[in-house]
Amino acid sequence: RKEVEQDPGPFNVPEGATVAFNCTYSNSASQSFFWYRQDCRKEPKLLMSVYSSGNEDGRFTAQLNRASQYISLLIRDSKLSDSATYLCVVTPSGSARQLTFGSGTQLTVLP
Amino acid sequence: DVKVTQSSRYLVKRTGEKVFLECVQDMDHENMFWYRQDPGLGLRLIYFSYDVKMKEKGDIPEGYSVSREKKERFSLILESASTNQTSMYLCASSLYLREGRYEQYFGPGTRLTVT
Repeated sequence: RKEVEQDPGPFNVPEGATVAFNCTYSNSASQSFFWYRQDCRKEPKLLMSVYSSGNEDGRFTAQLNRASQYISLLIRDSKLSDSATYLCVVTPSGSARQLTFGSGTQLTVLP
Repeated sequence: DVKVTQSSRYLVKRTGEKVFLECVQDMDHENMFWYRQDPGLGLRLIYFSYDVKMKEKGDIPEGYSVSREKKERFSLILESASTNQTSMYLCASSLYLREGRYEQYFGPGTRLTVT
């Protein structure tokens, strides 16, 4: 079983739609959680950290459910520029400096 | 702005060649990482380094070695390139955020093809 699992998609949604991605992780002792965004042929960049209480950044909301070991990302009012691959990222226990990446969920927002 | 640079965007090498991939960061970060990214497999950690002359194996170190002689530079070496090492190679360095969290900054990647 992969340490971090995501639905690869692709998710094709119209502009203005709300879309949600889920991610599950296998190590219950994982410490920190993130969503990264990777545009086509570009490097990954941090989108947002995920905190236990849930957190919001504009149109983006991230949630963590430790009991069920999943993380979610909600994008409201999708824009064309949101088209990218979204990577779920987990810090394994014992080493906050390392990251374990999911293989990503591809989103295409259609005009 | 943090800047992580990699020596080449595209590289084509022959089987058996020794390959050097260079990575430089300009923000005095202690931690540096080498990943490879393949379709369906995501990013996989090859090696990382917490300090000069210090290195640790990641998840897939076989066939690779690294060198960190200066804080800003982390090199990945393929001793004898093979076709299954054709991949996108991404270097990263990390910055401490808060509450035990580190943000990783990535270089633009090197797409290596081994023929």
